[in-house]
Amino acid sequence: GQQLNQSPQSMFIQEGEDVSMNCTSSSIFNTWLWYKQDPGEGPVLLIALYKAGELTSNGRLTAQFGITRKDSFLNISASIPSDVGIYFCAGDPKLPKTSYDKVIFGPGTSLSVIP
Amino acid sequence: NAGVTQTPKFQVLKTGQSMTLQCAQDMNHNSMYWYRQDPGMGLRLIYYSASEGTTDKGEVPNGYNVSRLNKREFSLRLESAAPSQTSVYFCASATGVGYEQYFGPGTRLTVT
Repeated sequence: GQQLNQSPQSMFIQEGEDVSMNCTSSSIFNTWLWYKQDPGEGPVLLIALYKAGELTSNGRLTAQFGITRKDSFLNISASIPSDVGIYFCAGDPKLPKTSYDKVIFGPGTSLSVIP
Repeated sequence: NAGVTQTPKFQVLKTGQSMTLQCAQDMNHNSMYWYRQDPGMGLRLIYYSASEGTTDKGEVPNGYNVSRLNKREFSLRLESAAPSQTSVYFCASATGVGYEQYFGPGTRLTVT
């Protein structure tokens, strides 16, 4: 079946550094989502992307919907300690806002920030 | 405004025991979802309820049943727990068809 790959699997960075991570698929998705999960908590939606090529920011976070529709990227600028957590991408091959049963989550990228 | 609440927070079961995980939301959302999260596997959808009175299977429904008791509450039942069901279970809700889902804090279940 369809699956998403995320890289890197984990990252250790110094506070203040920029972070880049990506999510790839062998098939096309029409929606890409990025979530963050803090330790011991449920995931929280960070950014939703609905159009190929779209670039969307949320504070220090910027995500892009890849032009091939098979990938998405998340960047975090000037990382701070509270950025620690697991970042999940999720994709849906169906058209945006039509249903939810096919959304697939990636395995996550674990981010650690060293003060 | 509590958002999505889940009970219990932690549970240990023996193989073959049954239990029900409870989920409630106070955001007047129509859609509710149950996921399981296993290390290195992301979140996998077990069941969902697009609206009150309807439920549908997700990616991994075997061994589970659900009940959408009313608009607020969506429960997940394990009739005969197995070690393979050791996981963290998350409930989520959304206004409707769409992707702005709000997740609960999770239930950590261990089956021995």
